[in-house]
Amino acid sequence: GAVVSQHPSWVICKSGTSVKIECRSLDFQATTMFWYRQFPKQSLMLMATSNEGSKATYEQGVEKDKFLINHASLTLSTLTVTSAHPEDSSFYICSARAPLAGDEQYFGPGTRLTVT
Amino acid sequence: GESVGLHLPTLSVQEGDNSIINCAYSNSASDYFIWYKQESGKGPQFIIDIRSNMDKRQGQRVTVLLNKTVKHLSLQIAATQPGDSAVYFCAENNAGNMLTFGGGTRLMVKP
Repeated sequence: GAVVSQHPSWVICKSGTSVKIECRSLDFQATTMFWYRQFPKQSLMLMATSNEGSKATYEQGVEKDKFLINHASLTLSTLTVTSAHPEDSSFYICSARAPLAGDEQYFGPGTRLTVT
Repeated sequence: GESVGLHLPTLSVQEGDNSIINCAYSNSASDYFIWYKQESGKGPQFIIDIRSNMDKRQGQRVTVLLNKTVKHLSLQIAATQPGDSAVYFCAENNAGNMLTFGGGTRLMVKP
């Protein structure tokens, strides 16, 4: 149980275009989902916390108008990278927390974004 | 600000030996700590966790030690296998119920 999926697993887009990444909890309902960014050979950095039905909370330095997060249901959160630039190329990872599972976060497999 | 950090980016061990990966944290208010394993191109995989009211917890071939006095966390892997090769991250759960990850240590297992 507690499986989180992401789609797509990798994507290549051109500068100036927008890309949407989906995060789904497959066998549980996630009231809270988190989005992380990971650059090569670096650690995971929290971008934002997403609660179902409310606006996401962004970490300092993360542009909310550039990284649009929508947590429309208890099993789906989306991250849209708008007007992507090469410096947005990164590994984006989501995680989900189940209401009755305490503090543990279940991580997705990640999405590799390359902006050309 | 508060942070979790690692000092050794790469650890190379012989297959069959024990591995010890260390982590220092700075947020004394953190009450929950987790070790994750991340293989190339994949998301983090939960290994073991420990709460601040404990100083040791054992799993299958893994042990986590927590020293709150010096704010130090370690992961011990017994009889390290080639499949253990990965990057290992410690993470702390702070009062805001968010995870802060350490810098990561790459474990390389030599056959």
